[in-house]
Amino acid sequence: GESVGLHLPTLSVQEGDNSIINCAYSNSASDYFIWYKQESGKGPQFIIDIRSNMDKRQGQRVTVLLNKTVKHLSLQIAATQPGDSAVYFCAEKRDNTGKLIFGQGTTLQVKP
Amino acid sequence: DAGITQSPRHKVTETGTPVTLRCHQTENHRYMYWYRQDPGHGLRLIHYSYGVKDTDKGEVSDGYSVSRSKTEDFLLTLESATSSQTSVYFCATRQGDQPQHFGDGTRLSIL
Repeated sequence: GESVGLHLPTLSVQEGDNSIINCAYSNSASDYFIWYKQESGKGPQFIIDIRSNMDKRQGQRVTVLLNKTVKHLSLQIAATQPGDSAVYFCAEKRDNTGKLIFGQGTTLQVKP
Repeated sequence: DAGITQSPRHKVTETGTPVTLRCHQTENHRYMYWYRQDPGHGLRLIHYSYGVKDTDKGEVSDGYSVSRSKTEDFLLTLESATSSQTSVYFCATRQGDQPQHFGDGTRLSIL
């Protein structure tokens, strides 16, 4: 069935290194993608989004890349810090109701 | 947190009892959403609202109902709670083309 999925459930990186979290999606009609960060006991927090007419978008220390040919989305975090430790979710929007389909999440662990 | 308050934050109840969760927002956003989050499933949409008295089902709506009688409040009701509805419930709001913003969740345990 159609799904938004993540390649790795847990990613462990050294403080100061760059992190890359990957996400695959299966619906070519999806026109909007979004990354959330979720810390323990908190709700998902918006990080960055991208529309399907773009292939790259940059924020502060984060970059999202969209490859529509292979239906792949990635989140790059530069100079990863201990405060980046969390679960990261990608999500896609398939219609104009704004409903999001979420992946299962990747846990990012930052080693000091 | 985009002015979203969920209540209660924690609740323990028994199978067969009715339960109502409340989501209150102060941002006057048009759209509101209820999700549940379970291990291995990420967040799944239960119901959503696109205006006062306008609601629709999400992917896991069975056993749940919602009501939105005013812009700021979106209520989620479990008419007769079951153990499979033990979960963490999140409310989200959205306005226009902006991203959804989430509350901090309600942890519901049904014994």
